[in-house]
Amino acid sequence: GAVVSQHPSRVICKSGTSVKIECRSLDFQATTMFWYRQFPKQSLMLMATSNEGSKATYEQGVEKDKFLINHASLTLSTLTVTSAHPEDSSFYICSAREGGLGSGGAYNEQFFGPGTRLTVL
Amino acid sequence: GQNIDQPTEMTATEGAIVQINCTYQTSGFNGLFWYQQHAGEAPTFLSYNVLDGLEEKGRFSSFLSRSKGYSYLLLKELQMKDSASYLCAPGGYQKVTFGTGTKLQVIP
Repeated sequence: GAVVSQHPSRVICKSGTSVKIECRSLDFQATTMFWYRQFPKQSLMLMATSNEGSKATYEQGVEKDKFLINHASLTLSTLTVTSAHPEDSSFYICSAREGGLGSGGAYNEQFFGPGTRLTVL
Repeated sequence: GQNIDQPTEMTATEGAIVQINCTYQTSGFNGLFWYQQHAGEAPTFLSYNVLDGLEEKGRFSSFLSRSKGYSYLLLKELQMKDSASYLCAPGGYQKVTFGTGTKLQVIP
């Protein structure tokens, strides 16, 4: 099956620093990648959708200047949390899909990475 | 907007059957996913329903009624390892929206 990796799996940083999280599709080309955030005992909240070679589409309430997303290739997307603060501490999960916007027809399964647990001190 | 409703918690006995219901109101509906998520881990795919009706896959089955905005996940022959959160996720052409999930506890 399709495999998505994330790196790092855990990161602890000081307040005010920036953290970069990588999401890679290992055995397929991911035209679309999604970034989610999950706080304890809450659902996955979609932060943004990124398509290779174009700007990410951010969900309402997500600051695009704080959460920088780059999808430079068909197998790699990165999320950079800039000037991180303790309230940014969360579980960040990416997912990847082969098809792009509007594609996939009746089936557009997302394959999830293992997640990155960010702790900001 | 998106509105997804599923029970917060459920408890069931090992070997039994449990049904987790989900109602949703969403725009641009294409199909409905069910995911399983163990604590501290990413979700794993269980099922995807596009057409109305029941789809069976081993111990897990999923049902969809598009006209009613209703789905359920049926778990048979429950095992202790089935203790997890189950996420109902209606999907559009562009993105999938996740419910808060139902935390299932399987007891001996």
